[in-house]
Amino acid sequence: DVKVTQSSRYLVKRTGEKVFLECVQDMDHENMFWYRQDPGLGLRLIYFSYDVKMKEKGDIPEGYSVSREKKERFSLILESASTNQTSMYLCASSSLTGAGGPRETQYFGPGTRLLVL
Amino acid sequence: GIQVEQSPPDLILQEGANSTLRCNFSDSVNNLQWFHQNPWGQLINLFYIPSGTKQNGRLSATTVATERYSLLYISSSQTTDSGVYFCAVDTGRRALTFGSGTRLQVQP
Repeated sequence: DVKVTQSSRYLVKRTGEKVFLECVQDMDHENMFWYRQDPGLGLRLIYFSYDVKMKEKGDIPEGYSVSREKKERFSLILESASTNQTSMYLCASSSLTGAGGPRETQYFGPGTRLLVL
Repeated sequence: GIQVEQSPPDLILQEGANSTLRCNFSDSVNNLQWFHQNPWGQLINLFYIPSGTKQNGRLSATTVATERYSLLYISSSQTTDSGVYFCAVDTGRRALTFGSGTRLQVQP
């Protein structure tokens, strides 16, 4: 089974702090994604990566950056956390070739609930 | 960008009832997936269904790509089916655009 893990389930940070959210997948997937989920808005794409050191902006990249130094790990960075970044953050991965399931099927981690005070 | 609309936004069922959830999208897609988010927040992929019909136990899904909609059928619902159901589509950029979801509550 595909496994996607996230470094924390719950996180509390203060305004202005630098925040790192880590995501690791164990199925050699090429693609990795970061979404945020807010009530009534569904999931919105922040950034994605289709290869090591490659990244693409999603629909709401402002205030975020990402890093992908190894294929299995994709990090989301909040350079200076703000209260409007309080949200649920979800990481996902998928394969172009169908590793672990139909190609391009996205597999999600359990999510990180971030509270910025 | 592409618009994804799901209906109904909320649904309350008695255990054993059947239901149909709908997803409309505004442009051609090459990837459509249905997900279930359980009360603990975990998203589980139900179907990868850019076109055609698939069945998995009590769940089935149909996508009519030419008419830009997909349907998720839940038969003989159980309390464990409760949660939020999302439809998500990809137009070729590899990332998914999600609808705002249908919140389902199945009562015993």
